[in-house]
Amino acid sequence: EVQLVQSGGGLIQPGGSLRLSCAASGFTVRSNYMSWVRQPPGKGLEWVSVIYSDGTTYYADSVKGRFTISRDNSKNTLYLQMDNLGADDTAVYYCAREKLQWFGEFRSYYFDHWGQGTLVTVSS
Amino acid sequence: SSELTQDPAVSVALGQTVRITCHGDSLRNYYASWYQQKPGQAPLLVIYGKNNRPSGIPDRFSGSSSGNTASLTITGTQAEDEADYYCNSRDSNGKHVVFGGGTKLTVL
Repeated sequence: EVQLVQSGGGLIQPGGSLRLSCAASGFTVRSNYMSWVRQPPGKGLEWVSVIYSDGTTYYADSVKGRFTISRDNSKNTLYLQMDNLGADDTAVYYCAREKLQWFGEFRSYYFDHWGQGTLVTVSS
Repeated sequence: SSELTQDPAVSVALGQTVRITCHGDSLRNYYASWYQQKPGQAPLLVIYGKNNRPSGIPDRFSGSSSGNTASLTITGTQAEDEADYYCNSRDSNGKHVVFGGGTKLTVL
């Protein structure tokens, strides 16, 4: 059974740092596309970052240069290092596995499994 | 363009059919996927690809696509379908993930 169990999060002061973890079971993190998605209180979903199976990473403009996505293959765990946090980073953060499937000449990317979410609150 | 646009809110009478739409230039090259999110829960994938449902998703959920518009249709809407629905795809460059702003579905 595929599972993503998140840890980390909590209350942090502006300018501080925090690391989120996402422990996977039932599949291999290094062989999949893995993303972080966040949701500010009362708002919609916002993609944060992705790491591909070849190690390529991409970031949303809002976090580029401050957040770092990584993985530990030996622990089958995904991480999100968040530095220089601001109030706008307050959100529930989800990790998710992304799949790619071709349908003719069209591609479909989709998140088939999600972690339970963890709340990050940036406040003094 | 990297944006996906959804109507903020839609309502439907119990047992009726509702269509939720998602507009974006990238949808000319990528199929959208659709997620249901209830309060306090993680999103749940309901539709991906041309019109594919993950195991356990009722067949009253279906998807379609035309041009720059993707649609999620719920036929015979049930009370438990009341939720927020998000579309998702990649941007036109294929590097960044994008989500629509979400549609709040109210079942009357």
